[in-house]
Amino acid sequence: DGGITQSPKYLFRKEGQNVTLSCEQNLNHDAMYWYRQDPGQGLRLIYYSQIVNDFQKGDIAEGYSVSREKKESFPLTVTSAQKNPTAFYLCASSIRDLVGSSYNEQFFGPGTRLTVL
Amino acid sequence: GQQVMQIPQYQHVQEGEDFTTYCNSSTTLSNIQWYKQRPGGHPVFLIQLVKSGEVKKQKRLTFQFGEAKKNSSLHITATQTTDVGTYFCAGSTDSWGKLQFGAGTQVVVTP
Repeated sequence: DGGITQSPKYLFRKEGQNVTLSCEQNLNHDAMYWYRQDPGQGLRLIYYSQIVNDFQKGDIAEGYSVSREKKESFPLTVTSAQKNPTAFYLCASSIRDLVGSSYNEQFFGPGTRLTVL
Repeated sequence: GQQVMQIPQYQHVQEGEDFTTYCNSSTTLSNIQWYKQRPGGHPVFLIQLVKSGEVKKQKRLTFQFGEAKKNSSLHITATQTTDVGTYFCAGSTDSWGKLQFGAGTQVVVTP
């Protein structure tokens, strides 16, 4: 099956600890994205990457870090510098439109619910 | 910066009724996408609108992109219990694939 996988589904960590969330896709998509969703709110972009070994900050990058060493993998590290890390984290990917110069729809993984105690 | 506003935030609908959710951007968009997120799930792509004034239909769902490419709407007719969820609009202003999501309209359907 082609798709995006995120692990784990639920994650609990103590305050002050760094934690890494996994995101893997086998869709051969160029672009990958990390979003944060808080209750009753929309999705806010943390980081995105359009090519291996390159990534850009989104709207709320402070306290987070990413890497893109492989096309299919885009792990997110929530560091101790993130003040309110408890949230639902969603990873997505998309493919560049061959005809135009834009990206098509984003495919989302099932998400990871992070709770910091 | 770019902002995407979505109204209403909540929508209670009697089964069989129609409703509309609206999306407004502070800047002109290159395209707008709509997603649906079921309770406890992840967003799933519904449709993308690119052209000014574009209207697309998917069964009971009608999507519209404004002439100025700054607003959009989703109209659902004859609401069913399967329509329950949160509907998000997401606008793009560049070719990098970045989307600015609205806060979503949470739809509750009463049988």
